[in-house]
Amino acid sequence: EADIYQTPRYLVIGTGKKITLECSQTMGHDKMYWYQQDPGMELHLIHYSYGVNSTEKGDLSSESTVSRIRTEHFPLTLESARPSHTSQYLCASSPSGQQFFGPGTRLTVL
Amino acid sequence: QKEVEQNSGPLSVPEGAIASLNCTYSDRGSQSFFWYRQYSGKSPELIMFIYSNGDKEDGRFTAQLNKASQYVSLLIRDSQPSDSAIYLCAVTEGGGSNYKLTFGKGTLLTVNP
Repeated sequence: EADIYQTPRYLVIGTGKKITLECSQTMGHDKMYWYQQDPGMELHLIHYSYGVNSTEKGDLSSESTVSRIRTEHFPLTLESARPSHTSQYLCASSPSGQQFFGPGTRLTVL
Repeated sequence: QKEVEQNSGPLSVPEGAIASLNCTYSDRGSQSFFWYRQYSGKSPELIMFIYSNGDKEDGRFTAQLNKASQYVSLLIRDSQPSDSAIYLCAVTEGGGSNYKLTFGKGTLLTVNP
């Protein structure tokens, strides 16, 4: 089982602010993912990485960006938050196929 | 468009009964199949995975895979109220080095005491 951490757990912020959601894992997994999930709705993949300096956009168009400078760290950044970004953001890591999720960050943009 | 279909439910079963959750997928190249449990307000938790045709048992959970029919199921024996959650079926996209998962929308299971 992966140990995967996300901070902050909850964030309420005003429109136009730049935010970074942190995700770290201690298992040395090469693969990491960011999902967006609205309450009661399905998971949508927004970014993924199969290793250091490798990032790809997911299936859901997103205005966020990611970086993967270290294996254990996969932060997601929104340059200018908008109310439409209000959602739950879930980070996951994987050694191969199965993915292990962090606790999530619930973001509210006013 | 790769799809994973699940009955949204709710599926309601009495405590102690067997709950049967079903999932079909469209990508014949998929090789790995996963079941996640998600409690309200929490993140998904991996409970079972299966790669080969047939059954795989782990405690009260049994995953069943039929690649010819593109069908995967999860059986929960002796269901408990604590099993009440949304169950997500996830399937790898294609084969080879593709490690992305396609998730179904989930089935809400309610176990009544």
